[in-house]
Amino acid sequence: AQTVTQSQPEMSVQEAETVTLSCTYDTSESDYYLFWYKQPPSRQMILVIRQEAYKQQNATENRFSVNFQKAAKSFSLKISDSQLGDAAMYFCAYGSGGATNKLIFGTGTLLAVQP
Amino acid sequence: NAGVMQNPRHLVRRRGQEARLRCSPMKGHSHVYWYRQLPEEGLKFMVYLQKENIIDESGMPKERFSAEFPKEGPSILRIQQVVRGDSAAYFCASSPSSRADTEAFFGQGTRLTVV
Repeated sequence: AQTVTQSQPEMSVQEAETVTLSCTYDTSESDYYLFWYKQPPSRQMILVIRQEAYKQQNATENRFSVNFQKAAKSFSLKISDSQLGDAAMYFCAYGSGGATNKLIFGTGTLLAVQP
Repeated sequence: NAGVMQNPRHLVRRRGQEARLRCSPMKGHSHVYWYRQLPEEGLKFMVYLQKENIIDESGMPKERFSAEFPKEGPSILRIQQVVRGDSAAYFCASSPSSRADTEAFFGQGTRLTVV
């Protein structure tokens, strides 16, 4: 069975600085997807970034980028130029490449942004 | 195009009552996923439905919980004879296809409190 582990329950970053959130996963599948979701206090789950396992190039979305290390089964999220609005719970998630969009989530990292 | 709509946003039930949670997927989406988020935890998959069919209910408790997605109308997650341990946030996500390479959009969740 697939598992997702986020070992940092809480992180803090100064506004305008860079922070990296860690995620490791375990799977025996070769075709899969990895995601980072943001959950602000409103509880809305917002997709931040997605990585296809077959792509070697790390995904980037504006200030958000990932470091995908397939052999190490590591998928960290880097937030550059942190903003107050980035403060939220961040969840790492795994999706199989088969015929289902079912996601397996980590336990989350609560990110605080200090002004 | 409205997003995924869940109602009610908050639901309070006494032990032993029934809880009905509704999810209207985005227009054009025929795949619905229900997740449960217990306090201080990540989202856990419960059930995946396609119009009129349950595709995967591997995450749903065998007793008291049921889900449906009729041809017309919203998807319903039903919890009979609720207990305190059912208190959680319940999220619905919808997607236009079953594959993980299509983004699943989440609703804002229903927070169920059992008193």
